[in-house]
Amino acid sequence: GAGVSQSPRYKVAKRGQDVALRCDPISGHVSLFWYQQALGQGPEFLTYFQNEAQLDKSGLPSDRFFAERPEGSVSTLKIQRTQQEDSAVYLCASSLGLAGYDEQFFGPGTRLTVL
Amino acid sequence: LAKTTQPISMDSYEGQEVNITCSHNNIATNDYITWYQQFPSQGPRFIIQGYKTKVTNEVASLFIPADRKSSTLSLPRVSLSDTAVYYCLVGDEGSWGKFQFGAGTQVVVTP
Repeated sequence: GAGVSQSPRYKVAKRGQDVALRCDPISGHVSLFWYQQALGQGPEFLTYFQNEAQLDKSGLPSDRFFAERPEGSVSTLKIQRTQQEDSAVYLCASSLGLAGYDEQFFGPGTRLTVL
Repeated sequence: LAKTTQPISMDSYEGQEVNITCSHNNIATNDYITWYQQFPSQGPRFIIQGYKTKVTNEVASLFIPADRKSSTLSLPRVSLSDTAVYYCLVGDEGSWGKFQFGAGTQVVVTP
């Protein structure tokens, strides 16, 4: 069956460019999460959506990071004026339920490299 | 949120049982314990979850003592394909994405 998909899988950006990363969650999943994973580290929480509502964005590292999920399905993570420290894998996950401990289904991630 | 501590790495041979213990001394009454597995270039994958005592599924077992201050993930008869990073997370219904994955435990299985 279809899982969580992310595009692009790889993105190279020059410092200062804006990028947009897309996440297609599993159909019907209410909850959607974005994580940032640096090399050799575990995923770090960025933001959480419940349907179209962004309930928690406490993990976004700066105001250059913006996420949206306007219709409660597809989500986009946008990074403005990219910096070298933004280089990481960006993971999207979705879950069927609303509870924080519900099983999350992860996509393969988008590897962002900022030159 | 409860902080978790787990070993950085563990080595094992094929066919052996691997036990990874995670410490979570300040676990709260409503917290659940969840383990994820991650292979290189893939997102994490849910393995098992429990609240107390023992939970078993087709992949692993999770042992949780009465005080719940620690938990042990048991992988029976590992194979080379079990080489991965394993994460222990603790959180309750309202934790949402605030689960802290930490650095996880790198398990390496060799022939």
